[in-house]
Amino acid sequence: NAGVTQTPKFRVLKTGQSMTLLCAQDMNHEYMYWYRQDPGMGLRLIHYSVGEGTTAKGEVPDGYNVSRLKKQNFLLGLESAAPSQTSVYFCASTPGHSNRNEQFFGPGTRLTVL
Amino acid sequence: GQSLEQPSEVTAVEGAIVQINCTYQTSGFYGLSWYQQHDGGAPTFLSYNALDGLEETGRFSSFLSRSDSYGYLLLQELQMKDSASYFCAVSLMDTGRRALTFGSGTRLQVQP
Repeated sequence: NAGVTQTPKFRVLKTGQSMTLLCAQDMNHEYMYWYRQDPGMGLRLIHYSVGEGTTAKGEVPDGYNVSRLKKQNFLLGLESAAPSQTSVYFCASTPGHSNRNEQFFGPGTRLTVL
Repeated sequence: GQSLEQPSEVTAVEGAIVQINCTYQTSGFYGLSWYQQHDGGAPTFLSYNALDGLEETGRFSSFLSRSDSYGYLLLQELQMKDSASYFCAVSLMDTGRRALTFGSGTRLQVQP
């Protein structure tokens, strides 16, 4: 049981390049999330999904797109990377029915945009 | 919008008790969570309160007062491994009740 995995772990992009971050979970969770964390800050919600085929905007969605074609995968895309998107990106998932609202986080992707 | 306030840093000695407070201003509040994050690591879940009162899990306890928009995390019998950042986070009704809005975190340093 791998839990939540993220690929890649590290990436360096040049301004204007595009990339996709992949999040996968093997716990059959309904809900999945993408957060970003800047140095010394809390996590901020980018986009989330409450089920396969559905996505919604979070607190800081501009410059990002997402897709959830399969229940176990949640993809985060940067169409034209900017230095302001340099951050650590965390994916998380949680069951649809949980009285603890426990989110399970992946190990993170460290992205640098030059 | 939503806002959460928690102290930026707390220092305590091994074996002591420390309380980390969190006040929040939100609309559509559903619950308050606490997460621990070691440097370079991912956040890990500690506790969740949807109702007023105290929740206890081993050395960690969390408290919520919905009327005061206030909660705290209590760590007892501090150990060196408890040195980490601690985040309070609120879940809101309008994001499916489960998406989290995080505070900026409290960095706890445990000294020998």
